[in-house]
Amino acid sequence: RKEVEQDPGPFNVPEGATVAFNCTYSNSASQSFFWYRQDCRKEPKLLMSVYSSGNEDGRFTAQLNRASQYISLLIRDSKLSDSATYLCVVTLDDYKLSFGAGTTVTVRA
Amino acid sequence: DTEVTQTPKHLVMGMTNKKSLKCEQHMGHRAMYWYKQKAKKPPELMFVYSYEKLSINESVPSRFSPECPNSSLLNLHLHALQPEDSALYLCASSQEHPFPYEQYFGPGTRLTVT
Repeated sequence: RKEVEQDPGPFNVPEGATVAFNCTYSNSASQSFFWYRQDCRKEPKLLMSVYSSGNEDGRFTAQLNRASQYISLLIRDSKLSDSATYLCVVTLDDYKLSFGAGTTVTVRA
Repeated sequence: DTEVTQTPKHLVMGMTNKKSLKCEQHMGHRAMYWYKQKAKKPPELMFVYSYEKLSINESVPSRFSPECPNSSLLNLHLHALQPEDSALYLCASSQEHPFPYEQYFGPGTRLTVT
């Protein structure tokens, strides 16, 4: 089983729609969780950290479900600029980040 | 705007060449990382430096040689690379290591080995 698994998508949604996707992780001892976005041929950029209580940043909402070992990302009112690959990142132990393979989102006009 | 810079942006080198990739961070972070990323794959960790000392080497071949001259700079020296080493090389930094702080990535160097 992979350490971090994501639905690769692609999720094709119209502008203004809501899109949500999950990421599951295998190590129950994982402590830190992040969502990064990566545009084609660019570096990953931190979108948000994911806290136990969940957190929201504008149109983006992240949730953590420790019991079921998954995190989620919801994007409301999608913009064309939200088109990207979203990487789920989980700490395996004290030092190593484990990246999911990414979920591709395409927002169409 | 990224506060981690990398040079060069693109590099083409032959298998007998020696070249270096450079990374600089301006955030006062004490941990720096090298990753390799192939197309449509997630980044793979190569090396971790903490307080200018190499703390993690993820079994990387010796043709890749990292160096950390000071807490802001990180180099990756390349020698006798193979075509399969062609990839995007990403530098990242974080506040501390081994604590699980978020990492900030530079724009990367796109390397092609011919």
